[in-house]
Amino acid sequence: EAGVTQFPSHSVIEKGQTVTLRCDPISGHDNLYWYRRVMGKEIKFLLHFVKESKQDESGMPNNRFLAERTGGTYSTLKVQPAELEDSGVYFCASSQSGSNTGELFFGEGSRLTVL
Amino acid sequence: DQQVKQNSPSLSVQEGRISILNCDYTNSMFDYFLWYKKYPAEGPTFLISISSIKDKNEDGRFTVFLNKSAKHLSLHIVPSQPGDSAVYFCAASAQGFNNDMRFGAGTRLTVKP
Repeated sequence: EAGVTQFPSHSVIEKGQTVTLRCDPISGHDNLYWYRRVMGKEIKFLLHFVKESKQDESGMPNNRFLAERTGGTYSTLKVQPAELEDSGVYFCASSQSGSNTGELFFGEGSRLTVL
Repeated sequence: DQQVKQNSPSLSVQEGRISILNCDYTNSMFDYFLWYKKYPAEGPTFLISISSIKDKNEDGRFTVFLNKSAKHLSLHIVPSQPGDSAVYFCAASAQGFNNDMRFGAGTRLTVKP
């Protein structure tokens, strides 16, 4: 079974440009999460989808960030325009509804470098 | 507002000895706690968890202890092995499963041969 996949693995862009990160969750997982880790700091929650609906987007930093999950399958996270402080590793995670372990399955992350 | 705190950024232990990683949380609504392990260039992977109705959960060499009154949990690894060298993240969630999980900053464990 394929795990959570993220693309691209690394993106280097200039300040002001746009980047779109993609996440394909594990098939059948209704819950999809985006997290971000800035070097040495906590893995910070950004938002949570249940199927195609945003359950909680309280962690989104500002309106330069837009997440979508059309059809309840894969998700995209767009940053437009990117700023220097957006640099970090963006992790996507998924889980099944009703899981008895509460475990999240993470992708390998998309490293974003804004110059 | 960081609700889950890991105050030790790094820990170094000798192979065969015990590793103790600590975590504190501030939100009394958290009722489920997990530890994740992360190797370089990989995503975090689930290691062990504990519900707030328990104070201890053991899985092989890994044991998690929960002290609700102190809002503190710890992960014990014994005996430690070089392959355990990784960054360990503490995580917590409220109101059951699949609720938004909050993570600490991680502790980098180095197990020396």
